[in-house]
Amino acid sequence: EAGVTQSPTHLIKTRGQQATLRCSPISGHTSVYWYQQALGLGLQFLLWYDEGEERNRGNFPPRFSGRQFPNYSSELNVNALELEDSALYLCASSWGGSEQETQYFGPGTRLLVL
Amino acid sequence: RKEVEQDPGPFNVPEGATVAFNCTYSNSASQSFFWYRQDCRKEPKLLMSVYSSGNEDGRFTAQLNRASQYISLLIRDSKLSDSATYLCVVNSENNDMRFGAGTRLTVKP
Repeated sequence: EAGVTQSPTHLIKTRGQQATLRCSPISGHTSVYWYQQALGLGLQFLLWYDEGEERNRGNFPPRFSGRQFPNYSSELNVNALELEDSALYLCASSWGGSEQETQYFGPGTRLLVL
Repeated sequence: RKEVEQDPGPFNVPEGATVAFNCTYSNSASQSFFWYRQDCRKEPKLLMSVYSSGNEDGRFTAQLNRASQYISLLIRDSKLSDSATYLCVVNSENNDMRFGAGTRLTVKP
């Protein structure tokens, strides 16, 4: 069974540009989560989508946004990129939205903002 | 104060050693608890969920003390392949998942 997939694996942008990151959950999973892992820092929760709706978001500015499609795949959009947005962006999925559900992570997208 | 705190290590141990990691969390309303491992430049992978009664999976034992808001992970007979960063993870209402900064373990021959 395929795991969580993310694309692209690497992305290089310049300040002020927009970045779009994509995630496909494990088949049958309806919840998708986005996390940011900046160098030397722990994972920070960004967004949670379930059944096409944004259910919760972390302490990030509105220029971080996303959506979930009917097939449960998801996009993360980062507008007006800043240098400190350079990080590994991880997507995870779970079978449902319960807090007890295990989240399975994709390999991540490494975003570099120059 | 960080919401999930872990000793960052590094822990350098010989093969066969027993090593214990500790983690404390600040949100008393936290509902579920996990240990993940993360290899260098890889995604986190679930090691085990942590239950109030404590649970064991082979060489790994996890304990939860809700009263003290404390979680532990014990690795017995450590292997070279156990070298990784171990992340303590606490999930609360609305899947507000909080990760510790991780404890780095290196097992040496």
